[in-house]
Amino acid sequence: QKEVEQDPGPLSVPEGAIVSLNCTYSNSAFQYFMWYRQYSRKGPELLMYTYSSGNKEDGRFTAQVDKSSKYISLFIRDSQPSDSATYLCAMSATGTYKYIFGTGTRLKVLA
Amino acid sequence: DTAVSQTPKYLVTQMGNDKSIKCEQNLGHDTMYWYKQDSKKFLKIMFSYNNKELIINETVPNRFSPKSPDKAHLNLHINSLELGDSAVYFCASSQGPAGYTFGSGTRLTVV
Repeated sequence: QKEVEQDPGPLSVPEGAIVSLNCTYSNSAFQYFMWYRQYSRKGPELLMYTYSSGNKEDGRFTAQVDKSSKYISLFIRDSQPSDSATYLCAMSATGTYKYIFGTGTRLKVLA
Repeated sequence: DTAVSQTPKYLVTQMGNDKSIKCEQNLGHDTMYWYKQDSKKFLKIMFSYNNKELIINETVPNRFSPKSPDKAHLNLHINSLELGDSAVYFCASSQGPAGYTFGSGTRLTVV
C-alpha cells in the first residue's frame, strides 16, 4: 500500500462547478499537508498549506484535513477553465524535510 | 526574478553519456531538493541538502551525485545515462516545513 493515495482522474466538470479533490494516507505521523497545482510542462506551485487538522480557506480554495480518517480534501468553488491542471497532494511528518506526494489528479474544467 | 531556476530546461542525450543539471534559488531558503517526476506524473524525492549538508539520500543509483557548493545552489550530475533515467527532474527549495518552491523542471530524454 502506498503511503499516499490519490485518484488520478481525469475529472471533468463544467465551468462554475464545485470540485472536490481527495487524498488518503496511511502514516499517522503526517502533520503537514499541502496541495500543489501543476500545469502541463510546468513545475508544481503551492496552493494551500495546512498544519494538523482543520480547514483553511483562500479565495475559491478550501483545504480540509481529517486526521482521524487520514483523509484530506481540496475544494474549488466556481471552477474556471484556468483551473484545469493536475493537483497533487503532499504530506510530511514533523522533524523531516521529506514530503510524500500523491500521484496527482488531472482536472479539466469545461467552458 | 525567478525564485528557483534550473538549467537546462531540455536535455536530449545518448545512453552512456554523463550530464549535469544546475539549480539556483534566490529565496534565501536553507534547504534544497531534487525530485524526479516520471511519465505518470509521480514525484519522488531523490536528495536534499540543508545548508550544504546532505540530509536526504533516497534509494537512487550511485550514478546520480548531487553537489551543493553553497546553500543557494544544488547541482545534479548523472553518469552513464540509461534509458530509464528519462524523466523530468525538479529542483525545489524550502524554509522550514511550509512547503516547497519548485523550479520549472529539466526534461531529460535519453536515446
